[in-house]
Amino acid sequence: EAGVAQSPRYKIIEKRQSVAFWCNPISGHATLYWYQQILGQGPKLLIQFQNNGVVDDSQLPKDRFSAERLKGVDSTLKIQPAKLEDSAVYLCASSLRRDTEAFFGQGTRLTVV
Amino acid sequence: GQQLNQSPQSMFIQEGEDVSMNCTSSSIFNTWLWYKQDPGEGPVLLIALYKAGELTSNGRLTAQFGITRKDSFLNISASIPSDVGIYFCAGQLKGPGGSQGNLIFGKGTKLSVKP
Repeated sequence: EAGVAQSPRYKIIEKRQSVAFWCNPISGHATLYWYQQILGQGPKLLIQFQNNGVVDDSQLPKDRFSAERLKGVDSTLKIQPAKLEDSAVYLCASSLRRDTEAFFGQGTRLTVV
Repeated sequence: GQQLNQSPQSMFIQEGEDVSMNCTSSSIFNTWLWYKQDPGEGPVLLIALYKAGELTSNGRLTAQFGITRKDSFLNISASIPSDVGIYFCAGQLKGPGGSQGNLIFGKGTKLSVKP
């Protein structure tokens, strides 16, 4: 069974530029999560989707971050414009349902210079 | 918001040693989870605990859900080199309508091999 796929693996951008990350969850998984993991910290939830609807985006900085999951499968996370403090690993995870184990992708390491 | 205090922050192990780490919170959680993260990878679930007092094993790993629901520990017995990595605890509350709430992660315990 294929795992959660994320791309790109690494991205370096200058501050004030835009960036987008892509996630393909495990086939059949209805729930999709985006986490931000700053160096030396545990992951922090940014947004949770159930199919193509947003369940929780309370910790998403909506002035610069946006995410969508239009057809209830793949998802994109965008940052526009990026700030230095956005440097982190962005992890996507998916689960069969909201009450089952979440499986994480390898993440995208973003460096903002 | 809820915060988890995970300790120790880092530790060095010699092969064959037992390892212990714990997580405490000022808040009560319904579920405690322990993850391991290797460099360049996402976290992988090791053990999930659903009831206060529950003691669960997964091979050489044993974890317990504290009676007060505010703490949990993870033990690794007879450590081996591939145990090296970062271990995270995570607490989860019930969300609206009894659904699972968000995971709150600790800052991690980094396990390294003694030089």
